[in-house]
Order: sequence, then structure tokens, then C-alpha cells
Amino acid sequence: SQQGEEDPQALSIQEGENATMNCSYKTSINNLQWYRQNSGRGLVHLILIRSNEREKHSGRLRVTLDTSKKSSSLLITASRAADTASYFCATVFSGNTPLVFGKGTRLSVIA
Amino acid sequence: DAGITQSPRYKITETGRQVTLMCHQTWSHSYMFWYRQDLGHGLRLIYYSAAADITDKGEVPDGYVVSRSKTENFPLTLESATRSQTSVYFCASSESGTTGAYEQYFGPGTRLTVT
Repeated sequence: SQQGEEDPQALSIQEGENATMNCSYKTSINNLQWYRQNSGRGLVHLILIRSNEREKHSGRLRVTLDTSKKSSSLLITASRAADTASYFCATVFSGNTPLVFGKGTRLSVIA
Repeated sequence: DAGITQSPRYKITETGRQVTLMCHQTWSHSYMFWYRQDLGHGLRLIYYSAAADITDKGEVPDGYVVSRSKTENFPLTLESATRSQTSVYFCASSESGTTGAYEQYFGPGTRLTVT
């Protein structure tokens, strides 16, 4: 499967701590995207990082991409209870192909 | 209202019945997608469309039919529902360009139960 794999599957932290989630994939990508899904809701786009980029920031979010290791990480700094959600990486492989989503990391932030 | 909407939000149907899930977007995005989300499988692509009258199969298309006569609508039909099609279905859209070049905007989902 070309699907990206998130690690860990579940993560529980205290409010104020940083949360790091990882995504690994198997073949060359065009870009990689991170999405958040709150319970019972649709997915919301967080960040898109292209294959020629190494790091992107958006507010408390920091995404890195290491194409040599075929991996990406999503760091949420100073987490809040409202960050409790599932986080998915989605990869676009070379060529005109659709996004392929991983199975997600469930993040619980305890107040 | 602007955005992407799905209807119905909840549906219970019986095995063998035909069911159509509706998806409507107001952005005039070229691309539209249908996913199903099941525990342990994440999101899996069923069908997608690059423009009106252009559709293509995704990872799990069997048992589903789509059409796209207008840019803003992308209905998904289960021709003869089976229990294995019990799932949460999400519609999404994105701007023009290559298929995965842009972020996708998701609808709120339809929870379908087949009894």
C-alpha cells in the first residue's frame, strides 16, 4: 500500500506540553499534507509541504519533511485541550494522483 | 451559505435498497472526492471527479456509482446497499490543478447504517 503511516496511533499529553506525530511513506511524493479531525466532524486542512521544502510553520504547528528518510513530523507546541483530535497525514505521489490518507494519530490533551 | 454540504447527515437503510448521498459545494472547485471512513482503515477514496462529466475510480469503488452533471454537485449512489457499506462518508473538494496539488475541503459527513 502507498498509504502513509502515522506513529504513534494514540498519544495522551498534559495541556501545555508539546505533541509530536510522525508520518512515514514508501515512495517518492509530490507533496504531503496534514489534516485534523475533531470527533464527529469532517477533516480540516492544517499544512501542505511540498517535496522541495524541509520545514513549514503555521501558528503553533511545525511540520518537517525528510524526503531521504521518507518521513514527516507534525509538532504542536503548547498544546491545549481544544487540540484533542485525530491527525492524519496525506501524501500525493508523483504524477497526477489523488491524496492517500494514513490511518491517523489520536491525540488527547488533558487539562 | 458558502462551503461544502452533505445530505442526509444520517441514514438508515436496509440491505438491497438503493441509496444516494448528496454533496454540494459553492466554491466552483474543479475536483470533488468521495471517501469512506472506517475504524482501522482511515479514509479510503471511493471515486473522484476532475470536472463535470469526468469521474475516476479510487481505492474502493465496487458497489458505488457517481455522476457529475454540474460542477457543484457530486452524488454518490449505492445501487444495492450491503452491510459492509455501513460507514461514514465524506465528500471533499479542491481547486483545479493536478489532482493532489491543493488542500481539500471536507463536508461534515454522512453516517450510513445498512441493516
